[in-house]
Amino acid sequence: NAGVMQNPRHLVRRRGQEARLRCSPMKGHSHVYWYRQLPEEGLKFMVYLQKENIIDESGMPKERFSAEFPKEGPSILRIQQVVRGDSAAYFCASSPRGLAGGNEQYFGPGTRLTVT
Amino acid sequence: DAKTTQPPSMDCAEGRAANLPCNHSTISGNEYVYWYRQIHSQGPQYIIHGLKNNETNEMASLIITEDRKSSTLILPHATLRDTAVYYCIVRVGGGSGTYKYIFGTGTRLKVLA
Repeated sequence: NAGVMQNPRHLVRRRGQEARLRCSPMKGHSHVYWYRQLPEEGLKFMVYLQKENIIDESGMPKERFSAEFPKEGPSILRIQQVVRGDSAAYFCASSPRGLAGGNEQYFGPGTRLTVT
Repeated sequence: DAKTTQPPSMDCAEGRAANLPCNHSTISGNEYVYWYRQIHSQGPQYIIHGLKNNETNEMASLIITEDRKSSTLILPHATLRDTAVYYCIVRVGGGSGTYKYIFGTGTRLKVLA
């Protein structure tokens, strides 16, 4: 059973370009979470999605950032017009039934975004 | 949102028990405590979680105080491969059954040969 997959693992973008980060959850998992980690800091929640729906986007910046989880295919975190401050590691996690009842999340290896 | 407080770093001798403390004094009654670790900036790895009772699995034990304001993760026989940043996390509840993790700053555990 493959784990959570993220690609690309490393992404370099120039300021003003768009970044697309992809996440394929574990088989059978329909809940996806995105986190951002700045150097030497803990992970910060960004958004929680269930197939075709955004459940909680309280951690997403109001501008330039968007996320989707279509019926078919991976979840996508999209950052438009990237700036140097967007440079970070972005992690995706999945769970089978959300976090109700104490279910845990399983994390992917992350995408390291560098904005030059 | 409940927050967690952890010591920034700890050392432990190989083969000895590593006891990692965490304070979560503002935790609510239905908020679980989770522990994950992150090795070399890889994706966090699940270790254990609990609500009220002490828990044990093949990786670790979790001791939660009766008032639930703090907990301790115990790695019974630390090895060099346990060197990592350990995160104590509270799962906080939103509306309509939504939940999310609130990460603390973590404890950098160094296991010494």
